[in-house]
Amino acid sequence: EADIYQTPRYLVIGTGKKITLECSQTMGHDKMYWYQQDPGMELHLIHYSYGVNSTEKGDLSSESTVSRIRTEHFPLTLESARPSHTSQYLCASSENRPGHLQAFFGQGTRLTVV
Amino acid sequence: QQQVKQSPQSLIVQKGGISIINCAYENTAFDYFPWYQQFPGKGPALLIAIRPDVSEKKEGRFTISFNKSAKQFSLHIMDSQPGDSATYFCAAGQAGTALIFGKGTTLSVSS
Repeated sequence: EADIYQTPRYLVIGTGKKITLECSQTMGHDKMYWYQQDPGMELHLIHYSYGVNSTEKGDLSSESTVSRIRTEHFPLTLESARPSHTSQYLCASSENRPGHLQAFFGQGTRLTVV
Repeated sequence: QQQVKQSPQSLIVQKGGISIINCAYENTAFDYFPWYQQFPGKGPALLIAIRPDVSEKKEGRFTISFNKSAKQFSLHIMDSQPGDSATYFCAAGQAGTALIFGKGTTLSVSS
């Protein structure tokens, strides 16, 4: 079982609120990712990081921001939540060397903005 | 531009049958091709993966076939069971980049 944790699992929040989704891994992985996924649909990469102080935007335009101050922690922040942000957010991590690219996913945070 | 194309979008197979899901990629620099299985309410979990130096990898009922020249790879699920009903994602990647996922295939195995 993967040692990657996301909190909260479920969140219902009002429009305009600021929220932070937490993601932590205990595997010492350099690479971490945030994906957005509607139920049963494709995974959209919104942010990724290669290591401490490294963050990149993914393919899907997102109004969220991320930070990577510690190797094990990769939080995602929405400054002002909107109903269009309602989705599932999946965090993942992996090593960054050939032959060891397996990504481990957390359980996800299901966000509902009302 | 979608770098990994997956088909079919959905698949219904009878119990005991063979499920086949196909993926095609564009970037010849990719050197890691995993398949993930996702159940409702869960994060995706690695099912099986292959490197481009082999043409086939088998783990139990699951087999990846890889065709480097055609830039295609597929997942075969032998003796499909109702418990295999899930969404399957192919992906491709290399060191230094993020994994690129296909759009997913919803598999239903009827009993």
